[in-house]
Amino acid sequence: EVQLVESGGGLVQPGGSLRLSCAASGLTFSPYSMNWVRQAPGKGLEWISYISSRSDTIYYADSVKGRFTISRDNAKNSLYLQMNSLRAEDTATYFCARATPGHIGPYYFYYMDVWGKGTTVTVSS
Amino acid sequence: EIVLTQSPGTLSLSPGERATLSCRASQSVDSSYLAWYQQKPGQAPRLLMYGASNRATGIPDRFSGSGSGTDFTLTISRLEPEDFAVYYCQKYGSSPLFTFGPGTKVDIK
Repeated sequence: EVQLVESGGGLVQPGGSLRLSCAASGLTFSPYSMNWVRQAPGKGLEWISYISSRSDTIYYADSVKGRFTISRDNAKNSLYLQMNSLRAEDTATYFCARATPGHIGPYYFYYMDVWGKGTTVTVSS
Repeated sequence: EIVLTQSPGTLSLSPGERATLSCRASQSVDSSYLAWYQQKPGQAPRLLMYGASNRATGIPDRFSGSGSGTDFTLTISRLEPEDFAVYYCQKYGSSPLFTFGPGTKVDIK
């Protein structure tokens, strides 16, 4: 069964740090780019970070740039998100999602076709 | 930055009815870059459509997508009980790399 499983969430004080992990099983992890997407309680989806298959291309949303770091270990089939200087507004469920490439004519794009169930991060004193 | 707007915010329908969900972009988006996701309470999102009109693996044919430029539509031809959920459109490309719309909730009338 194709599966992504996030872990590492929990309660942390403002200004604190947390490291999330996403373990892949039942799928070939190394060839695929990966993403982190979060969802604040009762809110919509927010993409926050992307990493290419060989970690040579990384993007962040402005809301987390300079505070969060995405990384991966293909030998361990794992994706990570190091979160520093956490704020109350970072409280959310964090999902990892596979970015599968596609193309239609001359246009190349990614879509997120495999998702984990999420791990919850609460930033509060 | 391209902003996606979805309407209506909530759509109240009965099983068997047709659902038409709109996603509007603040600037023109190539249809190749437009995807739709379904999310049920307490679950992860599920990919429905990519390239605006291509169904993802395992998605039933009562789901269809269309549109171009700034206006895109997700249609559910006949609502099944399991289709009541929140639907998000998403754009790929430029900065930020991915942008989601605010979502449309389809609930039971």
